[in-house]
Parts: sequence; C-alpha cells; structure tokens
Amino acid sequence: QLQLQESGPGLVKPSETLSLTCTVSGGSISRSYYYWGWIRQPPGKGLEWIGTIYYSGSAYYNPSLKSRVTISVDTSKNHFSLNLHSVTAADTAIYYCASMPSGVIGATGRLDYWGQGTLVTVSS
Amino acid sequence: EIVMTQSPATLSVSPGERATLSCRASQSVSSNLAWYQQKPGQAPRLLIYSASTRATGIPARFSGSGSGTEFTLTISSLQSEDFAVYYCQQYNNWPPYTFGQGTKLEIK
Repeated sequence: QLQLQESGPGLVKPSETLSLTCTVSGGSISRSYYYWGWIRQPPGKGLEWIGTIYYSGSAYYNPSLKSRVTISVDTSKNHFSLNLHSVTAADTAIYYCASMPSGVIGATGRLDYWGQGTLVTVSS
Repeated sequence: EIVMTQSPATLSVSPGERATLSCRASQSVSSNLAWYQQKPGQAPRLLIYSASTRATGIPARFSGSGSGTEFTLTISSLQSEDFAVYYCQQYNNWPPYTFGQGTKLEIK
C-alpha cells in the first residue's frame, strides 16, 4: 500500500516561493499506473486541485494557478515537489499530496492515497 | 470549468438511519465522479469512484448512484464513525478537476 508524506516549511513570507516535497513509500514513483498530484484546502474551506505529474515529468495544472505553479518529479529520490511562486495570504492552506491511478488514456482523476497534509501559512 | 454543487450544506441524521447526500454538476460529467470522506484533522479518504464503485476497504453501507449531472451518496445505516464532511469531485472535464463545497453530516 502506498504511503505519501508531505514536507516543507510551515511559514512562507508574502511574495516568496512555497516549496513542498511529497515522499512516496510502499512503491516506486516510476510505476506506470500512477500519476501524482497536489491538492490544497484553506482552513475551514473546501478542496482545490493544484496540479498533477507523471513520472516522465509531464505535468498539468489548474488554470487558476498555472502561471505560478511548477510541479516536478525526482525518481531517484522517489518524491515529487510543488513550487508555488509569489504567494499571498490567500495561499495559506493545508497542502496534500495524493496518488492518482492511470487509466486507458492518462490519469483517471480520482485520488486514492493521500498524505496527511501540511499546513503552510503565508505571513510576514 | 465545471462547477459542482452539493446539498444540503449540513445534514443532521440519527445513528442507524439512512443519509442521502446530493451532488450536481453544471454540465454532464458522465460517470466520472468520486466521493470522499474527511474527518477533522485528517486527509480526505476515497469512498466511491466512477459514480458507484466502492474503493478498496469501504463498507457496503456506502453506495453511490447517478450519471450525467445528478449524483447521490447514500449511507444506509449511519455508524458513529460516519459523521464527517463529504466531498464530490468530477474528473470528466479537466483541467481543472473540481470539487463540491462539501456536506457536513452531523449527529441529530
């Protein structure tokens, strides 16, 4: 069974870059039948999909965040990462990483294994 | 972007009773819909995908139905551990994948 664990700073200053890593255990990130995603949840609010990446490095993003987001993968370390640039207080949220099974064509879209989440606060 | 609307926002039900949660899509998502359960301080957990398929390890009291724009999650006999927030998510038209705003299921 896959296990995912987010890591990174819990506090980021406005206008700086939020950087998080998700380490995958219980299986190789290079397995062809999984994609890997980031989702966030502002305190007390709902869920927002940020982006998804395949082990090949092919990634796609939420259009609302696309200009500020980069997701990358490091197969040698079995982890993938999120960079969100030029953050503001509106980016304060719990950030989750999750696995997304592959389908016949690309990712299925459902999120089956989740990390526990990490709270990132944007404040000076 | 497809907008997912869940109703009601809060549902009060007694243990042992049936709970019915609704999710509506702003346009057809076929059967590409998932349901998640989230308890306080925890990550969401996948319950249902493809509108009606239970995820691994999910009890049979959870069932999903619907297609197109109207979907329902039914919990047949509520257990104490079922009181939580439930989200629907469409993955038919993307990017982006989109979630509903959630339904809080509380003890009556």
